[in-house]
Amino acid sequence: DTEVTQTPKHLVMGMTNKKSLKCEQHMGHRAMYWYKQKAKKPPELMFVYSYEKLSINESVPSRFSPECPNSSLLNLHLHALQPEDSALYLCASSQAGTENSPLHFGNGTRLTVT
Amino acid sequence: RKEVEQDPGPFNVPEGATVAFNCTYSNSASQSFFWYRQDCRKEPKLLMSVYSSGNEDGRFTAQLNRASQYISLLIRDSKLSDSATYLCVVREGRALTFGSGTRLQVQP
Repeated sequence: DTEVTQTPKHLVMGMTNKKSLKCEQHMGHRAMYWYKQKAKKPPELMFVYSYEKLSINESVPSRFSPECPNSSLLNLHLHALQPEDSALYLCASSQAGTENSPLHFGNGTRLTVT
Repeated sequence: RKEVEQDPGPFNVPEGATVAFNCTYSNSASQSFFWYRQDCRKEPKLLMSVYSSGNEDGRFTAQLNRASQYISLLIRDSKLSDSATYLCVVREGRALTFGSGTRLQVQP
């Protein structure tokens, strides 16, 4: 069982909708990540939060807006998405400030934009 | 040149076979290395970290060669349940970069 929980598991939204993806971890990790994965491709880094501060934004379009309300929660707000944004969105967490710390992934949210 | 490159798949092997995957990385400042496995339509799961001296976990052995900038994963006595995509992951600071993955299919 994963210790990183993502909701919802599946989401279908229109291009004019606003929705949010949620991620929660209780592992005491202070680094949290959003990745996007298309079919048959590896995960691509979108955002990294370290100690609740955004530390990496991989030139992600502004229609994706991350938020880290506290050390356990990470949200990804979605607005005016395009069909090509359909993908598996993965949240992960790790210890911060520890170079050998691996990522622990949630089950992902499978997003379809219609 | 891709930052992290892996053997192209798929690897189709019979049960009981030994199979090896390689991964090369371009950034010599990379700090730590991992192997993940990913089953179809599931999230990546950590298989093992890779240490400089090499490390083993049951049937799995990981090696790191910093001079040549490559990482390897050896799987002995392959099981049907080993069928998955194996992802090489390289960390530099806060960012982790994934290789494109190698698909393994173990056949009865």
